[in-house]
Amino acid sequence: EVQLLESGGDLVQPGGSLRLSCAASGFTFSSYAMNWVRQAPGKGLEWVSAISGSGGGTYYADSVKGRFTISRDNSKNTLYLQMNSLRAEDTAVYYCAKSRGKVHLRADFDCWGQGTLVTVSS
Amino acid sequence: DIQMTQSPSSLSASVGDRVTITCRASQSISSYLNWYQQKPGKPPKLLIYGASSLQSGVPSGFSGSGSGTDFILTISSLQPEDSATYYCQQSYSTPLTFGGGTKVEIK
Repeated sequence: EVQLLESGGDLVQPGGSLRLSCAASGFTFSSYAMNWVRQAPGKGLEWVSAISGSGGGTYYADSVKGRFTISRDNSKNTLYLQMNSLRAEDTAVYYCAKSRGKVHLRADFDCWGQGTLVTVSS
Repeated sequence: DIQMTQSPSSLSASVGDRVTITCRASQSISSYLNWYQQKPGKPPKLLIYGASSLQSGVPSGFSGSGSGTDFILTISSLQPEDSATYYCQQSYSTPLTFGGGTKVEIK
């Protein structure tokens, strides 16, 4: 069974940093692109970032470019999101989502984690 | 960026009704359009990928159609468990973008 389990969400002050993790199981992790998608309280879904199966390609939404870094450790079947210079508008539930293919384009998100809450507030 | 516009933003229908939700892309995305269902407090669940392919395990009452810029999600006979918010998403180009969502309620 494919499973994704996020962790690392917390309350952090504006300007602070946080690292999210997503532990994957039940599939060949390195064969699939992975994504982070967020959802602010009461709002819709926003794609944040993607990384190719090999880790050689990374992609970001303009809203986080230069502040967030996506990475993966295929030996540990784990996806990461390093978030720096956090702002109040980054407050959201962050989901990791598996792409159907090796790259994020032309692919749907066929499996999602339960999400981890990041709150940016003083 | 490709903008995805869903309509309506919400609807209320009776059990057994046929429900349609529309999604329009700001430019052609071929058939790279996916539909998700999200219930409160839960992650989204993939329903339809590639505009019209039914994800494994999804009831056959859900169907998708369209290509280019205009797409439709159809629920052929609304059931109580279909009460949820539905999102379309394009995977044609980065940044990947979602529609604003359609909240479906049962009368």
